[in-house]
Amino acid sequence: DAGVTQSPTHLIKTRGQQVTLRCSPKSGHDTVSWYQQALGQGPQFIFQYYEEEERQRGNFPDRFSGHQFPNYSSELNVNALLLGDSALYLCASSLGDTISYNEQFFGPGTRLTVL
Amino acid sequence: DAKTTQPPSMDCAEGRAANLPCNHSTISGNEYVYWYRQIHSQGPQYIIHGLKNNETNEMASLIITEDRKSSTLILPHATLRDTAVYYCIVRPSSRDDKIIFGKGTRLHILP
Repeated sequence: DAGVTQSPTHLIKTRGQQVTLRCSPKSGHDTVSWYQQALGQGPQFIFQYYEEEERQRGNFPDRFSGHQFPNYSSELNVNALLLGDSALYLCASSLGDTISYNEQFFGPGTRLTVL
Repeated sequence: DAKTTQPPSMDCAEGRAANLPCNHSTISGNEYVYWYRQIHSQGPQYIIHGLKNNETNEMASLIITEDRKSSTLILPHATLRDTAVYYCIVRPSSRDDKIIFGKGTRLHILP
């Protein structure tokens, strides 16, 4: 079992560009959540997907959007990048609708640097 | 905002028990206490969770006070590999709510 995988591991973009980050959940998991973690801070919830729809959303602007595919994998898109978007982006997967939902499994993250 | 309060940092000698406190005075009846940890440059790792009874697994023990307003995560025999940021989170068990991380406790295990 490969666990949660994310790609790419590192990414450098310039202000105004757009970026797409990818996540493959742990085998058997159907729910994917995305988090942004700035240096020295705890992860901040961006949004959650299951059944291919956005179900919950944190306090992030519409520049942040996502998608979930039928195989449960997910993408995070960020448009019009700002310097403040530089962070570690974490994907977490879980099995929905069970008591074990909150035993979320996190991927290693994608380190995004905006110049 | 996070519903929990944790000390920003703690030290513990290698081989001793590490006791990490967490205050959650506004916890609701249907909210569980969850603990995660994040080792440098890795994603957070689930440790343990509980509702009102004490819980133990292969990684740690969770002690929840009777009024459920605070809890303690215990690592019985800390090793250098336990050096990490530990996050205490309270939330319902259903998936229809977002997880809110605070800043956590940075635990340093001293050789």
